[in-house]
Amino acid sequence: EAQVTQNPRYLITVTGKKLTVTCSQNMNHEYMSWYRQDPGLGLRQIYYSMNVEVTDKGDVPEGYKVSRKEKRNFPLILESPSPNQTSLYFCASNTQAGELFFGEGSRLTVL
Amino acid sequence: AQRVTQPEKLLSVFKGAPVELKCNYSYSGSPELFWYVQYSRQRLQLLLRHISRESIKGFTADLNKGETSFHLKKPFAQEEDSAMYYCRNAGNNRKLIWGLGTSLAVNP
Repeated sequence: EAQVTQNPRYLITVTGKKLTVTCSQNMNHEYMSWYRQDPGLGLRQIYYSMNVEVTDKGDVPEGYKVSRKEKRNFPLILESPSPNQTSLYFCASNTQAGELFFGEGSRLTVL
Repeated sequence: AQRVTQPEKLLSVFKGAPVELKCNYSYSGSPELFWYVQYSRQRLQLLLRHISRESIKGFTADLNKGETSFHLKKPFAQEEDSAMYYCRNAGNNRKLIWGLGTSLAVNP
């Protein structure tokens, strides 16, 4: 089954404690991206990657890092999380035609 | 600047009424427009793309290049259509441009 898998789905952490949200897709897509979703602000792109070792900033990259060492994985790294990074995060991969497949979301709370 | 505008944050209609969710875009290249839907507590999923000109769950959307619009329409809204709807375009360097979303509430 074609899917995008994110982990963890839910996480409560404290300010400054590094964390990684993993994202994996099994569709051999080249393009992957990360979003955060906040009430009233819609979906905002954090980072995207057009292929292995090719990443670029989206609209709200501050406080985040990504890596793309292999095609299927695109982890999101918060080196020193802060409360303003409390949000719902979605990973997505898309086809060449531009259709996105989203993960189920990771709800992160930073205390 | 490249933009996708969804002017309504919230749209409330009664069951059986027609519904139109607006989407306007600004982009100098060829638009690649999509509508996505997010039901409560679920992931976003593709609803429509402009190149396919199909009807999904009774929804249709027509690209109007003159008005730079891609409005989503359904003649008779159902309660199960209540969800968040996002319009998006593809920008330069494949950076995706998203609208802020419209929350549709269909009341019984």
